[in-house]
Amino acid sequence: KQEVTQIPAALSVPEGENLVLNCSFTDSAIYNLQWFRQDPGKGLTSLLLIQSSQREQTSGRLNASLDKSSGRSTLYIAASQPGDSATYLCAVSTQGGSEKLVFGKGTKLTVNP
Amino acid sequence: KAGVTQTPRYLIKTRGQQVTLSCSPISGHRSVSWYQQTPGQGLQFLFEYFSETQRNKGNFPGRFSGRQFSNSRSEMNVSTLELGDSALYLCASSSLTGLETQYFGPGTRLLVL
Repeated sequence: KQEVTQIPAALSVPEGENLVLNCSFTDSAIYNLQWFRQDPGKGLTSLLLIQSSQREQTSGRLNASLDKSSGRSTLYIAASQPGDSATYLCAVSTQGGSEKLVFGKGTKLTVNP
Repeated sequence: KAGVTQTPRYLIKTRGQQVTLSCSPISGHRSVSWYQQTPGQGLQFLFEYFSETQRNKGNFPGRFSGRQFSNSRSEMNVSTLELGDSALYLCASSSLTGLETQYFGPGTRLLVL
């Protein structure tokens, strides 16, 4: 059974700091891995999707890497801003052609002005 | 194009009642998935529908059911509500290319008293 773990559960940093969020998964046979952002009481917004054959994806100040063999992914946020404050969720898809995602419990990020 | 919409946004029910939640996917998307989010368990997959057929089901009791209509709109139903069913219910749609993320709606917050 696939399990996804995110460390740390919460993180508080000053504005401008570069930071790394971690995600690990127990079964390396994944189809893809995604990072989402969730603001309080809201739905999820997709940030980055990495196919199993890829090693990383970048979007603006965000960079996500994937190491399938070790079951790890990291989300790097450069020059953090107060608007980045949210919960970041990592999710893996374990079946091609299926939209079932297994989620970690998230990292709650607070960026202080 | 319009995003995923969910109705109602908020709902209060009492134990033993039943509830029906609705999800309208992005135009052209034929896959709809449902998730339950609680503080303790995080995001958990309920089921996935494609072309009116349930393709995948999570580990939830039979009180949770769903369906999809020919226009891809989906409903989920929970019968005999329990206090533990209080949660944010999220719906997601995708184009099933495998190259694109799922798009999540804002969710329906259900409170069972």
